[in-house]
Amino acid sequence: GENVEQHPSTLSVQEGDSAVIKCTYSDSASNYFPWYKQELGKGPQLIIDIRSNVGEKKDQRIAVTLNKTAKHFSLHITETQPEDSAVYFCAAPTNAGKSTFGDGTTLTVKP
Amino acid sequence: KAGVTQTPRYLIKTRGQQVTLSCSPISGHRSVSWYQQTPGQGLQFLFEYFSETQRNKGNFPGRFSGRQFSNSRSEMNVSTLELGDSALYLCASSLTVYQETQYFGPGTRLLVL
Repeated sequence: GENVEQHPSTLSVQEGDSAVIKCTYSDSASNYFPWYKQELGKGPQLIIDIRSNVGEKKDQRIAVTLNKTAKHFSLHITETQPEDSAVYFCAAPTNAGKSTFGDGTTLTVKP
Repeated sequence: KAGVTQTPRYLIKTRGQQVTLSCSPISGHRSVSWYQQTPGQGLQFLFEYFSETQRNKGNFPGRFSGRQFSNSRSEMNVSTLELGDSALYLCASSLTVYQETQYFGPGTRLLVL
């Protein structure tokens, strides 16, 4: 089955700095890679996703890069703000329908 | 469009009891997945339903079961509750089952005493 590893588990940055979270996956059949943000007391919410036919996707301060050869993808947040503090999850769903999530990264942005 | 809704939001039960959680997906979505989230174990996949059929099941004991109705609404049931079942149970819906975006509900927080 799919195995997704996410690093780091915790990340603390100063407001305005950049944050990078990395995930590796094992199933080469995975072609869709979403990132979710979970705030306290809420369910995970999709913030950005990428499909295997592109290498990078940006949405304002958030970007995701994908390296299919190496089987890893990363979330980049620039100009971090206190409201970016949350738990971030990557996922690598497969055609088998089972979504495998990384263990999550707790991001703290210090003002 | 209304998002994924889950009821109840909070639940307190005692060991040995059973519980039923409900999930209403986004209108038009036919796939519903359930996850258990605990601080130490992250998001663990329970099962997935599509058009009233269970397509996949995670590594959970048979005490955990679910079903999906013709209107795509889903329920999950946990029988003979154990202390370790205390968790946030999340439901997610998607249009189809093939590598699509999942939209999560707010979850049901279950506490087993």
